[in-house]
Amino acid sequence: DAGITQSPRHKVTETGTPVTLRCHQTENHRYMYWYRQDPGHGLRLIHYSYGVKDTDKGEVSDGYSVSRSKTEDFLLTLESATSSQTSVYFCAIRQVMNTEAFFGQGTRLTVV
Amino acid sequence: AQSVTQPDIHITVSEGASLELRCNYSYGATPYLFWYVQSPGQGLQLLLKYFSGDTLVQGIKGFEAEFKRSQSSFNLRKPSVHWSDAAEYFCAVSGAGGGNKLTFGTGTQLKVEL
Repeated sequence: DAGITQSPRHKVTETGTPVTLRCHQTENHRYMYWYRQDPGHGLRLIHYSYGVKDTDKGEVSDGYSVSRSKTEDFLLTLESATSSQTSVYFCAIRQVMNTEAFFGQGTRLTVV
Repeated sequence: AQSVTQPDIHITVSEGASLELRCNYSYGATPYLFWYVQSPGQGLQLLLKYFSGDTLVQGIKGFEAEFKRSQSSFNLRKPSVHWSDAAEYFCAVSGAGGGNKLTFGTGTQLKVEL
């Protein structure tokens, strides 16, 4: 299995609070991605990174920010959590463009 | 913009029957195509991938997929389904452009009747 760890695995938070999810890899892969998974929507890309300090928006980036200060860590922050951000969040890593992505086990986030 | 369409939300097949899951993609150049499977409460596992060359690709667990450029399709097939194949299946597309984004379809939920 690819060395990719998401933390926390489960979190319940209150509306309006900031939340940070962490994705840590030990593979030294260049590309990292954050997705959210919701019933009927599949996996939707939030943000992705193609190198340290190089990030870009995905299709559902509103309300989310990311940072990548070192190769192994990709942080996803919800500045002020809303109930619509209740979801399962997956991190993925990818070595180069013509390889597959490897996924973490997911983080289940509930905003109450 | 790149996109993936999986027209079947749910599919039910009998154990031992053949299976075909449909995937249509939109991408301006030669795509990289993937099929992933997700069992309940689990992460995603790669079944197979297409980058170039032979348009019929073999994957794990007896799955195969055929790339048809003229139809912008990458359908997943299995000749004989097992009860353990019940899961959700996702098709995905990527490419050299667009910042190397990896875009998924909405998934097909497979149910296997014994």
